[in-house]
Amino acid sequence: QLQLQESGPGLVKPSETLSLTCTVSGGSISSSSFHWGWIRQPPGKGLEWIGTIHHSGNTYYNPSLKSQITISVDTSKNQFSLKVTSVTAADTAMYYCARYSPGYLDYWGQGTLATVSS
Amino acid sequence: QSALTQPASVSGSPGQSITISCTGTSSDVGGYNSVSWYQQHPGKAPKLMIYDVSNRPSGVSNRFSGSKSGNTASLTISGLQAEDEADYYCSSYTSSITYVFGTGTKVTVL
Repeated sequence: QLQLQESGPGLVKPSETLSLTCTVSGGSISSSSFHWGWIRQPPGKGLEWIGTIHHSGNTYYNPSLKSQITISVDTSKNQFSLKVTSVTAADTAMYYCARYSPGYLDYWGQGTLATVSS
Repeated sequence: QSALTQPASVSGSPGQSITISCTGTSSDVGGYNSVSWYQQHPGKAPKLMIYDVSNRPSGVSNRFSGSKSGNTASLTISGLQAEDEADYYCSSYTSSITYVFGTGTKVTVL
């Protein structure tokens, strides 16, 4: 059974960089059939698509976040990562990683809460 | 990119059927069959309920069904049960090679 687990610091100071990692187990991140994605959800609000990556390194980002985010993959560790630069309180959210079977998210991590506060 | 439009809330009595709409544009919902629906209970990660407009993953009750007409997709829950009370989100692939979620709908079982 495929499992995804997010990890990263729960608290980040304003203007700093938020770094999160998603570890995939029970399957290979190098499978050509899938992309891997990040989604976030501010407290009490809806889901926001952040971006996706293929094991080849091809990335696709939300245009409204593109200047602030970088998604990368480490196939040797079966992990992919998210960096959000120059964070503000608006970046406080539950961050989920998930697998994209083309067109839909079929496996999700449990989520990790990232809070931006001094 | 703008979020797809969903009603903020929908309610129904046990056993009834309800339908949640998801309205986009010809650049997303109307242009592709990559529309999916997710159920989210409080404090939990979203769960895939419908993919490619109308397909149900293994293990999802056949009380859940999806459809699309033009730029609007719909999720219908028949035989409403207490456990169906949750937030529901649609999502679509877009012409910009991105994805977009809907605004979310809170389903209440009366």
